[in-house]
Amino acid sequence: DTGVSQNPRHKITKRGQNVTFRCDPISEHNRLYWYRQTLGQGPEFLTYFQNEAQLEKSRLLSDRFSAERPKGSFSTLEIQRTEQGDSAMYLCASSLGQDNEKLFFGSGTQLSVL
Amino acid sequence: GNSVTQMEGPVTLSEEAFLTINCTYTATGYPSLFWYVQYPGEGLQLLLKATKADDKGSNKGFEATYRKETTSFHLEKGSVQVSDSAVYFCALNTNAGKSTFGDGTTLTVKP
Repeated sequence: DTGVSQNPRHKITKRGQNVTFRCDPISEHNRLYWYRQTLGQGPEFLTYFQNEAQLEKSRLLSDRFSAERPKGSFSTLEIQRTEQGDSAMYLCASSLGQDNEKLFFGSGTQLSVL
Repeated sequence: GNSVTQMEGPVTLSEEAFLTINCTYTATGYPSLFWYVQYPGEGLQLLLKATKADDKGSNKGFEATYRKETTSFHLEKGSVQVSDSAVYFCALNTNAGKSTFGDGTTLTVKP
């Protein structure tokens, strides 16, 4: 068990650029989640996958955001045409796939949009 | 919709003091309740959980009891240590791991 891995740890980009983050969940975990966290706030749900199927997206998620989990293993989160308001910590979590169970979080990717 | 409200921080205590961090929730259905902890420079990790009313979750000297009548899940520890300094998040889950989190409470324990 190597834990949930996220890359990069930090990303600085200019407004209008596209960025992509990667998450490698714990290998036997079926579910994978993306959350966003800003300073002084708790994690905010963005989307989640059951294997390769994206089952839910937050209504707060702009069309500029897209996530994939093509083989049911790692996942990518892409933000197109970044805005300063996108600056946040992007957290990935995984779980075995049982309801009401605990999440295992990665250390996050800190995005700064200049 | 679901929501979690935590007591505002930051909280500063001396070592061996008693800790309480309040958490109340609003949820449809019957949620499971969690406390996660984030140590400096690390990701969130589960501290304890309770899945039904009157359950008590406990871990590392921390405890929290699921109180349905008051919709609360307050975190307590009898004697805090410097190593307990961290950010604590209360969370609930009603459906497929889509957890709702509070805004976190920063705890600093001084020697």
